[in-house]
Amino acid sequence: NAGVTQTPKFQVLKTGQSMTLQCAQDMNHEYMSWYRQDPGMGLRLIHYSVGAGITDQGEVPNGYNVSRSTTEDFPLRLLSAAPSQTSVYFCASSYHSANTGELFFGEGSRLTVL
Amino acid sequence: QQQVKQSPQSLIVQKGGIPIINCAYENTAFDYFPWYQQFPGKGPALLIAIRPDVSEKKEGRFTISFNKSAKQFSLHIMDSQPGDSATYFCAAASRQLTFGSGTQLTVLP
Repeated sequence: NAGVTQTPKFQVLKTGQSMTLQCAQDMNHEYMSWYRQDPGMGLRLIHYSVGAGITDQGEVPNGYNVSRSTTEDFPLRLLSAAPSQTSVYFCASSYHSANTGELFFGEGSRLTVL
Repeated sequence: QQQVKQSPQSLIVQKGGIPIINCAYENTAFDYFPWYQQFPGKGPALLIAIRPDVSEKKEGRFTISFNKSAKQFSLHIMDSQPGDSATYFCAAASRQLTFGSGTQLTVLP
């Protein structure tokens, strides 16, 4: 049972570089989301999707881009990495929406921007 | 602006103690209040959740108390064990899930 799979687990970037964090779920969940976790700030919502072809911004969307071409995949793109984007990123999915049941999280992707 | 305020930031108790973590919210549109548990190097996992139409929910050693009029809710861990040492997040949802800042709990043997 894979659940929510994130790759890579660790990444170091230089300022200005771009990259994509991959997220895939095998539970046929409609809702998928990306959070970033920083010390003392909890988890903050970056972007979310309620189904294939539908995405929307969360609390901290600047500098990030997402797409949802399939139900299973929800990649997060950093367009031009900045040191402020150093964080641990979590992808999460739920069957229908954020307030109807459990949100399943991946194990995280730790990103360092130099 | 933090929509869900969580306290304390850290908590140390002896084995068998009853740690209590508190959260407060402002948005009356929130209709789902889960607690998540996170171990180092792992993603958060759902521990227990409550809807605002009930004042208390118990699952094993974990209890949520909910005060709708005060817009506050709390997590109690009965007979705490060293294995409960983790970071705990409260959260609140209407369309999206908003997390508190987290409480790092240490249960001493």
